[in-house]
Amino acid sequence: EAQVTQNPRYLITVTGKKLTVTCSQNMNHEYMSWYRQDPGLGLRQIYYSMNVEVTDKGDVPEGYKVSRKEKRNFPLILESPSPNQTSLYFCASSLSSGGGRWTQYFGPGTRLLVL
Amino acid sequence: KQEVTQIPAALSVPEGENLVLNCSFTDSAIYNLQWFRQDPGKGLTSLLLIQSSQREQTSGRLNASLDKSSGRSTLYIAASQPGDSATYLCAVSNTGNQFYFGTGTSLTVIP
Repeated sequence: EAQVTQNPRYLITVTGKKLTVTCSQNMNHEYMSWYRQDPGLGLRQIYYSMNVEVTDKGDVPEGYKVSRKEKRNFPLILESPSPNQTSLYFCASSLSSGGGRWTQYFGPGTRLLVL
Repeated sequence: KQEVTQIPAALSVPEGENLVLNCSFTDSAIYNLQWFRQDPGKGLTSLLLIQSSQREQTSGRLNASLDKSSGRSTLYIAASQPGDSATYLCAVSNTGNQFYFGTGTSLTVIP
């Protein structure tokens, strides 16, 4: 089954404790992206990747890191989480970013609480 | 920076009614526009994607239109059903890489 998976689905942590949220897709997609969703603000893009070893900042990249060493995986790293990073996080992928033709497929989300 | 607005924030209709959801954006130089559906506690599901060269797209009871010059898109849902109850989001891309989402319209279809 074609899908985007995220782990963990729920995470409670404390300020300053490094964490990684994994994202994996099995559709051989080139493009992957991370978003956060907050009430009243909608989804905002954090980082995106057009292919292996090619990443770029989205609208709200501060406090986050990403890497794309393999085509299928795109982990989101919070080196020193703070309470304002408490949010619902979504990973998404699409076949390509070119041409404007390709729809994004979303993972189920990771709910993060930073105390 | 692209700003995307969806009005109304919430909508409640009786089953069987036809309805229109609105999305407006500030920068008309878009690459594409997508409509998504989000069910509570779940991820987003793509409904329709309209490329910048297109005026509309249809899928079943759904029809999305795009008017770039006025910075607007509408999602038309025909003969609404209780299963259509969800939050509907529109997303605009100016480059194909970066996406800007509206805050969504929460739709409730009453049986």
